[in-house]
Amino acid sequence: DAKTTQPTSMDCAEGRAANLPCNHSTISGNEYVYWYRQIHSQGPQYIIHGLKNNETNEMASLIITEDRKSSTLILPHATLRDTAVYYCIVRPHTGKLIFGQGTTLQVKP
Amino acid sequence: GAGVSQTPSNKVTEKGKYVELRCDPISGHTALYWYRQSLGQGPEFLIYFQGTGAADDSGLPNDRFFAVRPEGSVSTLKIQRTERGDSAVYLCASSPTGRDTGELFFGEGSRLTVL
Repeated sequence: DAKTTQPTSMDCAEGRAANLPCNHSTISGNEYVYWYRQIHSQGPQYIIHGLKNNETNEMASLIITEDRKSSTLILPHATLRDTAVYYCIVRPHTGKLIFGQGTTLQVKP
Repeated sequence: GAGVSQTPSNKVTEKGKYVELRCDPISGHTALYWYRQSLGQGPEFLIYFQGTGAADDSGLPNDRFFAVRPEGSVSTLKIQRTERGDSAVYLCASSPTGRDTGELFFGEGSRLTVL
């Protein structure tokens, strides 16, 4: 019952912006878009979340379309340490996170 | 500041044995989650505690799996009569409350191998 669709894998050159897309066409009005990432052999790490407005923090920016059916996570200056699996998750404001397969981002020198 | 601590980091057991995995959440966090992750897959939700009670145990695959959190802090995931298919990394996460902005803090996981 995956509620998001992400590309399986993406490459990005070191120092360039990484733009990771996510489709969530069945998102409900009370569901937030969350992004987590998982670096090899570590637990998932929170990146950012949003409801309908664009959000930015020290790690990334989240751009949500006006109809909220898709979003893009932007890592403005990718480094080799950003190589990870990135998960896009839709979730009500409380309760469990349901992870899909995510996007494997490979940052290349 | 300590993060979420999980022990053991690695556990190898034989089919049919009983296993306990422990999670120490961040101090003061009332919400605690268990997930398991098989190779190449995303984490799969198992159970979520709010305080001492299980708020959602819909992810437990069968009655061989059980989790407790008797004092609202440390949690133990218990697996009876282990099977080879139980081999996975078991992840624990905590958050300040179940009603916060949604950031779950994950531990490094306990890798279970059932021979």
